[in-house]
Amino acid sequence: RKEVEQDPGPFNVPEGATVAFNCTYSNSASQSFFWYRQDCRKEPKLLMSVYSSGNEDGRFTAQLNRASQYISLLIRDSKLSDSATYLCVVTTRTGGFKTIFGAGTRLFVKA
Amino acid sequence: GAGVSQSPRYKVAKRGQDVALRCDPISGHVSLFWYQQALGQGPEFLTYFQNEAQLDKSGLPSDRFFAERPEGSVSTLKIQRTQQEDSAVYLCASSLAPDRASYGYTFGSGTRLTVV
Repeated sequence: RKEVEQDPGPFNVPEGATVAFNCTYSNSASQSFFWYRQDCRKEPKLLMSVYSSGNEDGRFTAQLNRASQYISLLIRDSKLSDSATYLCVVTTRTGGFKTIFGAGTRLFVKA
Repeated sequence: GAGVSQSPRYKVAKRGQDVALRCDPISGHVSLFWYQQALGQGPEFLTYFQNEAQLDKSGLPSDRFFAERPEGSVSTLKIQRTQQEDSAVYLCASSLAPDRASYGYTFGSGTRLTVV
């Protein structure tokens, strides 16, 4: 089992739709969680950190469920510009720090 | 500079050739990371520097891979005797944080290496 797993998609949604991605992680000692966005042939860019209490940034909401070991990203009112790959990132401190990226979930928002 | 700068942007190497990839992190960023990203995959960790000290090189796939950051700023990733399986995008990232857990990273645009 991979340490960080994501549904690769693609998710094809119309503009204005709400879409949600989940990401599961295997190490219960994981400490920090992030969502990154990566456009085609571009570098990953930090979208948001994920806090235990959940957090919201405009149309984006991230949540963490430690008991079930998953994080989620909800995008409301999807825009064409949201089309990208969304990478789940988990940092664990076991011995030394270890940061693992998921393989990403592809989102296509269509007009 | 304003962001993480990597060069070259693209590199085509013949199998067996040595290559050197450069990363210029954001000024003042203590932590520097190298990642390898194959097509359709997430970035895979290669190595981590805190200033000039290479604290973790557990992700380097073989002894053909070598990284340095001699003055705690610019870093170079060197791949000796390149093989076709080395073809990937090599991403450099930096962070102000002195550890790896607290903050997200800022990535450079990457170097796309193709070994023919």
